[in-house]
Amino acid sequence: AQTVTQSQPEMSVQEAETVTLSCTYDTSESDYYLFWYKQPPSRQMILVIRQEAYKQQNATENRFSVNFQKAAKSFSLKISDSQLGDAAMYFCAYRYPGANSKLTFGKGITLSVRP
Amino acid sequence: DTGVSQDPRHKITKRGQNVTFRCDPISEHNRLYWYRQTLGQGPEFLTYFQNEAQLEKSRLLSDRFSAERPKGSFSTLEIQRTEQGDSAMYLCASSPPDRNNEQFFGPGTRLTVL
Repeated sequence: AQTVTQSQPEMSVQEAETVTLSCTYDTSESDYYLFWYKQPPSRQMILVIRQEAYKQQNATENRFSVNFQKAAKSFSLKISDSQLGDAAMYFCAYRYPGANSKLTFGKGITLSVRP
Repeated sequence: DTGVSQDPRHKITKRGQNVTFRCDPISEHNRLYWYRQTLGQGPEFLTYFQNEAQLEKSRLLSDRFSAERPKGSFSTLEIQRTEQGDSAMYLCASSPPDRNNEQFFGPGTRLTVL
């Protein structure tokens, strides 16, 4: 079974600084998708960034980028120029391609941003 | 496109009562998922529909839980004889047929069982 591990329960970053959130996963599949989702307090979960395992190039979305290390099964999220609105829980998630496209989530990390 | 909606947003019930939640996916999204999120944990998969067909159920979905998606539009999740351990956030997500690797989540229904 696939598992996703986020070992850091909390992190804090100064506004305008850069922070990296860690995620590791375990799978025997060679093709799959990885995601970072953001869940602000009392608000719905939104997709931050997506990475296809067959792509070697790391995904980037504005201030958000990933460091995808397939051999190490590592998928970290870097947030540059942190903003107060980035404060939220962040979940790493895995999905393998196939008829059933369920997501497997990590436990999440709470990110706080200091003004 | 108004996003995925869920009703109610909050539900408080007494142990042993039945509850039903509703999820309205984004229009034309043929895939619909239910997840459960307990405090301090990530969402856990419960069940999945493609159109009106329920294609997979997690072991977490005991026989007290039932989900339906009549006509392939909205979905309902019913919990019978609720237990305190059922207290959680119940999340619904949908995805379109042409981009089935992105799931759009609703705001969730927070269930508290007293």
